[in-house]
Amino acid sequence: GNSVTQMEGPVTLSEEAFLTINCTYTATGYPSLFWYVQYPGEGLQLLLKATKADDKGSNKGFEATYRKETTSFHLEKGSVQVSDSAVYFCALSDRTGGFKTIFGAGTRLFVKA
Amino acid sequence: GAGVSQSPSNKVTEKGKDVELRCDPISGHTALYWYRQSLGQGLEFLIYFQGNSAPDKSGLPSDRFSAERTGGSVSTLTIQRTQQEDSAVYLCASSLVLAGGTDTQYFGPGTRLTVL
Repeated sequence: GNSVTQMEGPVTLSEEAFLTINCTYTATGYPSLFWYVQYPGEGLQLLLKATKADDKGSNKGFEATYRKETTSFHLEKGSVQVSDSAVYFCALSDRTGGFKTIFGAGTRLFVKA
Repeated sequence: GAGVSQSPSNKVTEKGKDVELRCDPISGHTALYWYRQSLGQGLEFLIYFQGNSAPDKSGLPSDRFSAERTGGSVSTLTIQRTQQEDSAVYLCASSLVLAGGTDTQYFGPGTRLTVL
């Protein structure tokens, strides 16, 4: 069945450092891929998404490129801020399995000033 | 427009009691999900409704948990004979379903359940 694997956290970075959070997936179809973010004390919200191979999703300085050849959707940001401290979830959805969305376990990011 | 709403926002109950949690999805969203999130943990999938299809109940942790969705809109998650390990935040999300799969999920604020 479909699955999502993301790097374990927590990830601790200094402000202005480069961020990569790895996400790889297994899917039998052609899934849509998502990154969701949960800021401290807040609800989950969409950060970015990509719906087909080679698409790049971007938002708030974050980017992720849908790589079908490596079945990956790594999240990157060139210069993190303290306000980026949150838990990040990678997710996929496709036609198999009744269109159900599958989430990764989440990666907690701490950014120090 | 209105987002996903959940009620109550907080629920404290005694062990052994039944509880009902309610979710009002965004109008027109055919897909509805329930998740559970324990403190500092990830999302645990519970159940998924999509249109008129039979719900995917594969994530329900025991037969004490059940959910229904009436008229393709409001959903109720019921936990019978609550246990302390049921304490968590219960999240509801709704989305459109497109040809390629479920679109962006919109999450409600959650119900924080505490079982004493």
